[in-house]
Amino acid sequence: NAGVTQTPKFRILKIGQSMTLQCAQDMNHNYMYWYRQDPGMGLKLIYYSVGAGITDKGEVPNGYNVSRSTTEDFPLRLELAAPSQTSVYFCASSFPGALGGYQPQHFGDGTRLSIL
Amino acid sequence: KQEVTQIPAALSVPEGENLVLNCSFTDSAIYNLQWFRQDPGKGLTSLLLIQSSQREQTSGRLNASLDKSSGRSTLYIAASQPGDSATYLCAVTEKTSYDKVIFGPGTSLSVIP
Repeated sequence: NAGVTQTPKFRILKIGQSMTLQCAQDMNHNYMYWYRQDPGMGLKLIYYSVGAGITDKGEVPNGYNVSRSTTEDFPLRLELAAPSQTSVYFCASSFPGALGGYQPQHFGDGTRLSIL
Repeated sequence: KQEVTQIPAALSVPEGENLVLNCSFTDSAIYNLQWFRQDPGKGLTSLLLIQSSQREQTSGRLNASLDKSSGRSTLYIAASQPGDSATYLCAVTEKTSYDKVIFGPGTSLSVIP
């Protein structure tokens, strides 16, 4: 099925460990996004990308890094995991909006990450 | 600073009822407003998008309205069904360097058969 695929679905990390959350889309979307969702809170943008080789910081980028070597893939890397990074992480993608806006339209099912 | 709130946090209704979900935002200078649905353990599904120049959008049993001047949007669901049970989030887009999308915390809806 076409869409946004995230792996893994669940992960438990120890403080200080590193990991990469994978995201792939097969809709040839230019724009891709990483969000985190904390309980009772709205989603917050971590990083976004408007195309291969181009990434930019969102609202809460500290502690994370991204890369975009292909149109399809947009991995999110956590370096030195901290308990504050316990969250559900969503990857999303979209074409540019009618007026060139950046708005997520298709979401993956999320990665549930716990840092202990 | 733009803030988006949704009240109530949770709502339970019997099947067949018409219902309204509320979304409020503090700054009326928005680009558009979206309503999303989130099923447990799943990502968000975009339901309706209202441009700032529009007053409402309709899709099937769903109708979303937008009143920028009062900072409010409502999502009306007609003849609710158990399959409508999910969390509904609204999100406003601000015109910044990257068209910042600000999400509300969501309303968890349960439709009881």
